[in-house]
Amino acid sequence: SSELTQDPAVSVALGQTVRITCQGDSLRSYYASWYQQKPGQAPVLVIYGKNNRPSGIPDRFSGSSSGNTASLTITGTQAEDEADYYCNSRDSSGNHLVFGGGTKLTVL
Amino acid sequence: QVTLKESGPALVKPTQTLTLTCTFSGFSLSTSKMRVNWIRQPPGKALEWLARIDWDDDKFYSTSLKTRLTISKDTSKNQVVLTMTNMDPVDTATYYCARASGSYLDLDYWGQGTLVTVSS
Repeated sequence: SSELTQDPAVSVALGQTVRITCQGDSLRSYYASWYQQKPGQAPVLVIYGKNNRPSGIPDRFSGSSSGNTASLTITGTQAEDEADYYCNSRDSSGNHLVFGGGTKLTVL
Repeated sequence: QVTLKESGPALVKPTQTLTLTCTFSGFSLSTSKMRVNWIRQPPGKALEWLARIDWDDDKFYSTSLKTRLTISKDTSKNQVVLTMTNMDPVDTATYYCARASGSYLDLDYWGQGTLVTVSS
């Protein structure tokens, strides 16, 4: 299967920890990447590989994976973290990319 | 400093062919492991990967759209061109180009996107 499944919406209280998940068969073979997208803006890479953050991404963002599920965890969530989050990975061929349907994170 | 910028028509008619150009700087597509991807996002909907071209001119297309897509590069101009044939109103979306480098295929730099509306 080349699909990645995300919960459509998740909410978290300010300062708390939230986990956003992504499920798919290809995640058994390939790492997921995670992107943050705020309204009217292009996506920004926040996690890649096993658990790597690009320069400038706060260390409250972390990634993990188990079986067919990848997770993005935000520890000590800030108001500015409210955004849509997308996972992506390779499909079973290894050469194509596929995105999850996105998770809208609301910070209460 | 890596930058990418998409350009092309804002409005196309149904059945027409869309041609989009991604002009980039700060890297070369002749460098090993460099790749440029096209991704689109219909209004209010999720991201969809369309195509990729690699430093060695390998090309990859979305399975569902491969009959309509062509990707090419002009390394001397630092440009990647995507054409999509037989445009339909459901193809209305913001189209992004994004760089991937290294082995993970992660999209580490994105353009600002360009909105393409398909309407008669």
